[in-house]
Amino acid sequence: QQQVKQSPQSLIVQKGGISIINCAYENTAFDYFPWYQQFPGKGPALLIAIRPDVSEKKEGRFTISFNKSAKQFSLHIMDSQPGDSATYFCAAAYYSGTSYGKLTFGQGTILTVHP
Amino acid sequence: EAQVTQNPRYLITVTGKKLTVTCSQNMNHEYMSWYRQDPGLGLRQIYYSMNVEVTDKGDVPEGYKVSRKEKRNFPLILESPSPNQTSLYFCASSFYQGQTQYFGPGTRLLVL
Repeated sequence: QQQVKQSPQSLIVQKGGISIINCAYENTAFDYFPWYQQFPGKGPALLIAIRPDVSEKKEGRFTISFNKSAKQFSLHIMDSQPGDSATYFCAAAYYSGTSYGKLTFGQGTILTVHP
Repeated sequence: EAQVTQNPRYLITVTGKKLTVTCSQNMNHEYMSWYRQDPGLGLRQIYYSMNVEVTDKGDVPEGYKVSRKEKRNFPLILESPSPNQTSLYFCASSFYQGQTQYFGPGTRLLVL
């Protein structure tokens, strides 16, 4: 129940295209859904995050879409650029009322944007 | 500069030779954690620490030890490394569990 399933494992997109990465979860107590971006040779870093009180959050070219009933959330990268080539991880955490539980990460998606 | 540092960045060792990977953060974070990253498996938590002298097992703790004697440091110890511990290791910290994690640059370990 703690799993977060991420797909696809790898994704190749042309410059200017839309990249879409999907995640699904089982634990309905999850209420914090961040995405992390990892460039080669670096540690992951927070990219964007959403809570289930909204269905969409946009920051520049990056958008999280959240579907509570389907227990799914996705990352959309509009106008994808070669500089977006990285590994992307979705994650989820729940709030117990007094504190948050640990972050559970998805399996990661390697995104390659061709010029 | 706020950061998480890890040393060494690369390490080649042989089966059974004890090693320690150090981790230090300068953000006064209470929560620290170790992950291993393997292709297709994502980031899996090894151990975590809620505060000084408070540590607990994550999802894949077998073969690893940790300690948290000071708030800023959280070393990962492999008492008797085996080839299946060949991986990319990340230390991370945050103010509290479940909050934004700040990751170190990673340590790539090869156990022969």
